[in-house]
Amino acid sequence: QIQLVQSGGEVKKPGASVKVSCKTSGYTFTSYGISWIRQAPGQGLEWVGWISAYNGEKKSAKKLQDRVSMTTDTSTSTAYMELRSLRSDDTAIYYCARDVRVYDSSPNYWGQGTLVTVSS
Amino acid sequence: DIQMTQSPSSLSAYVGDRVTITCRASQSVSNYLNWYQHEPGKAPKLLIYGASSLQSGVPLRFSGSGSGTDFTLTISGLQPEDFATYYCLQNYDSFWTFGQGTKVEFK
Repeated sequence: QIQLVQSGGEVKKPGASVKVSCKTSGYTFTSYGISWIRQAPGQGLEWVGWISAYNGEKKSAKKLQDRVSMTTDTSTSTAYMELRSLRSDDTAIYYCARDVRVYDSSPNYWGQGTLVTVSS
Repeated sequence: DIQMTQSPSSLSAYVGDRVTITCRASQSVSNYLNWYQHEPGKAPKLLIYGASSLQSGVPLRFSGSGSGTDFTLTISGLQPEDFATYYCLQNYDSFWTFGQGTKVEFK
């Protein structure tokens, strides 16, 4: 079955970087894109970005464009999201999610979430 | 960026009630509008994609409608397991945006 398994929680200091992984299985990795979405404590869902595992096309939220990088490793069917220059308001659960189907990037199959805590 | 205004922000209803949540876009998103259910401690769940298509496995009491700027999620016959927060998401252009969420509570 389709699975997305994310890396474990991280605690980082302000100004540091974090890299979250999303290892996938159960489908052809290069046929779908991966979204990244986060939820800060007590807040709603916020879209971070999307990357195509087929051709590397990327989209990211304007407020994060300068600090976020998304990559894929087709050899291990893993997607990565790196966030640099961390601030306290980056503290959130970060989710990866696979497209619902080919040619429809709506996030559907989700990872379990990774808590990133930014604190001095 | 396209802004998504979701209403109401919260509601209380009885089991069996018909519940309607709306989402309005600041400009047309065609039918690139999805609805998600999010329970505490769990990953969000896709309910409706393409404004009105029911995702596989989602109960028939959930339905979506609308196009352009105005969209509606309807739950026909609220069940106890529907206690959650619901979000709309537009993925029309290069910068996707979620609505603020609607928390559904039971009376």
